[in-house]
Amino acid sequence: DSGVTQTPKHLITATGQRVTLRCSPRSGDLSVYWYQQSLDQGLQFLIQYYNGEERAKGNILERFSAQQFPDLHSELNLSSLELGDSALYFCASSTTAGTSGTDTQYFGPGTRLTVL
Amino acid sequence: QKEVEQDPGPLSVPEGAIVSLNCTYSNSAFQYFMWYRQYSRKGPELLMYTYSSGNKEDGRFTAQVDKSSKYISLFIRDSQPSDSATYLCAGGANGAGNNRKLIWGLGTSLAVNP
Repeated sequence: DSGVTQTPKHLITATGQRVTLRCSPRSGDLSVYWYQQSLDQGLQFLIQYYNGEERAKGNILERFSAQQFPDLHSELNLSSLELGDSALYFCASSTTAGTSGTDTQYFGPGTRLTVL
Repeated sequence: QKEVEQDPGPLSVPEGAIVSLNCTYSNSAFQYFMWYRQYSRKGPELLMYTYSSGNKEDGRFTAQVDKSSKYISLFIRDSQPSDSATYLCAGGANGAGNNRKLIWGLGTSLAVNP
């Protein structure tokens, strides 16, 4: 158990809908990262927050947004969902801002999103 | 061309075999490399990281980086059925912002048969 929690574990929804995925980082970790994992694209970095502020941005679509709250939990909002958004969404946390390569990211168990 | 290329396998070996998992990368700015292991229906977990060319050993695992050929490897000695998982390699660079994000390979699926 990494100490990172994600809810819900599974989510089934329809195209055009909006969903919110939630992540609680390990105790004491200030950084939260969001990833999307699909079979053909692998693990894709979406966005990172550090202590409430956006720190780095990856291949995140404009239909997706995230935030990190004062208690350090984070939410990833996915809107106008398309079939291609079906994937595993992982949250990871780390202690620092991650400017050093050895800042280990601890992954949660993921949320499996299915868009029908 | 993807920045990090990894043969997805699957790779199937008998218990006790030496396993070699490999990745190639194209970004010369990468300064460190990581190997993560992902069990089915779980999140990835860090196995090892290396900063420079050469070998790094941790128990049955050895990570090797050859920056001249942009080739990274993970060797597993005396493989066990519990090693059956998907192995992900990733490269990254130090610094701030987007320059620092990890770039991941697709992962290689490994099955160690008893």
